[in-house]
Amino acid sequence: DSGVTQTPKHLITATGQRVTLRCSPRSGDLSVYWYQQSLDQGLQFLIQYYNGEERAKGNILERFSAQQFPDLHSELNLSSLELGDSALYFCASSARGPGELFFGEGSRLTVL
Amino acid sequence: AQSVTQLGSHVSVSEGALVLLRCNYSSSVPPYLFWYVQYPNQGLQLLLKYTSAATLVKGINGFEAEFKKSETSFHLTKPSAHMSDAAEYFCAVSGGKSTFGDGTTLTVKP
Repeated sequence: DSGVTQTPKHLITATGQRVTLRCSPRSGDLSVYWYQQSLDQGLQFLIQYYNGEERAKGNILERFSAQQFPDLHSELNLSSLELGDSALYFCASSARGPGELFFGEGSRLTVL
Repeated sequence: AQSVTQLGSHVSVSEGALVLLRCNYSSSVPPYLFWYVQYPNQGLQLLLKYTSAATLVKGINGFEAEFKKSETSFHLTKPSAHMSDAAEYFCAVSGGKSTFGDGTTLTVKP
C-alpha cells in the first residue's frame, strides 16, 4: 500500500461528458502528480502541484484541468471526453525535493 | 531538458537466467534516477533509486542497477529471474518532474 488513494477505480462514460478523478496523497506529501497511461502513448506526465500551486505542466490537454486543495487532495477534471481519452490515470505524490514518487492504483477511464 | 530511453520494449528470459533491462538517460544536471515496476492492474512501485551516492544501487526483490556517467546508463539487473518478476519496468529521471521511459515488459519463461 503506497498510501496514495485514488477514486474511482473504474469509470465508464460517454463521449462529450465530463468526469472528475480524485487523489489523496500520502500523509505529509506536498507534491501531487498526474499521469496518463495508455497503450499507444505510454506513461505521460500531465501536471504537478506543490502545496496548492501548479509547479509543472506536461502534455495536458486544454480540455483537462486540475487543482490541489488546502487539505492537499487533488482533482483532475476531464471534459468534452473523446474516445482517445480512455486510459489509466495515475496520481502520485512525493515529499519535498526530486525524490521518488508514490503511485496510487489508478483510475481506469473508459469513454464509449 | 531530460529524457530517458529504454532499449527493448519486450524482454524474455528463462527462469533462473540473468535479467538485464537497459536504460539510457539525458540530463543537463546531475540526475536522480529510478527504476519502477508495475504489475498488472496496479500502480507503479519503486524498485530502487540513485541519488549521487554509491554508483551501484541495490533495490528490492534482488534487483540492482549501476549508474555509469560516462555511458549515461542506468541498467537494471537481477542474477536469477523468478516467475514473479514478470511485469513492466520503467526507468525514470527526476530533476523537478519525473520523466519516464516507455517501459520494458519482462516475460519469464518456466
